Amino acid sequence: AQSVTQLDSQVPVFEEAPVELRCNYSSSVSVYLFWYVQYPNQGLQLLLKYLSGSTLVESINGFEAEFNKSQTSFHLRKPSVHISDTAEYFCAVGTWAGANNLFFGTGTRLTVIP
Amino acid sequence: GAGVSQSPSNKVTEKGKDVELRCDPISGHTALYWYRQRLGQGLEFLIYFQGNSAPDKSGLPSDRFSAERTGESVSTLTIQRTQQEDSAVYLCASSSLGGRDLYGYTFGSGTRLTVV
Repeated sequence: AQSVTQLDSQVPVFEEAPVELRCNYSSSVSVYLFWYVQYPNQGLQLLLKYLSGSTLVESINGFEAEFNKSQTSFHLRKPSVHISDTAEYFCAVGTWAGANNLFFGTGTRLTVIP
Repeated sequence: GAGVSQSPSNKVTEKGKDVELRCDPISGHTALYWYRQRLGQGLEFLIYFQGNSAPDKSGLPSDRFSAERTGESVSTLTIQRTQQEDSAVYLCASSSLGGRDLYGYTFGSGTRLTVV
């Protein structure tokens, strides 16, 4: 079975500071990974994804995540956060075999402090 | 439509009553998913529809839960004899590819169900 662990339920950070949101997964088969973001009072939106190839993937708003197979991690980073980044972030894993659905972590609430 | 639409956005119901939640996926999206998000928990997979194939019901928590979808259109999730532990946000998502959803899902804004 697959599972996703997001150890940090809440991460407060000052504006313009760097941030890392941690995601670890467990799977016996090859995976692909997503980060979703949920802004206040909005639905979940895809932030970025790793399917194959380069292990470093980026979003259009400055976030990046690196797939590390040996550490089974897909941590999300941003070098300088903005107030508008305040949201809940969910890591999700899918598998190339077996279940068709994505498995989601419990989410990390990022609060950017002015 | 332009996005995934869910209704109602909020539902308060008495314990023991039945509720029906609706999802309108993006036109042309063949795959449709229902997830549940309890307070402080991650998204819990409930059921998956792909075109006219038999749905994957492996995530439904009990036989009080059922869902239907006609072709590639609207889906309804029905919860019979609601219990307080059914209180959660119910999320619907659709995808153009289904199966290995390599482009991610498009989520609706969810239905917040409160059982009192």
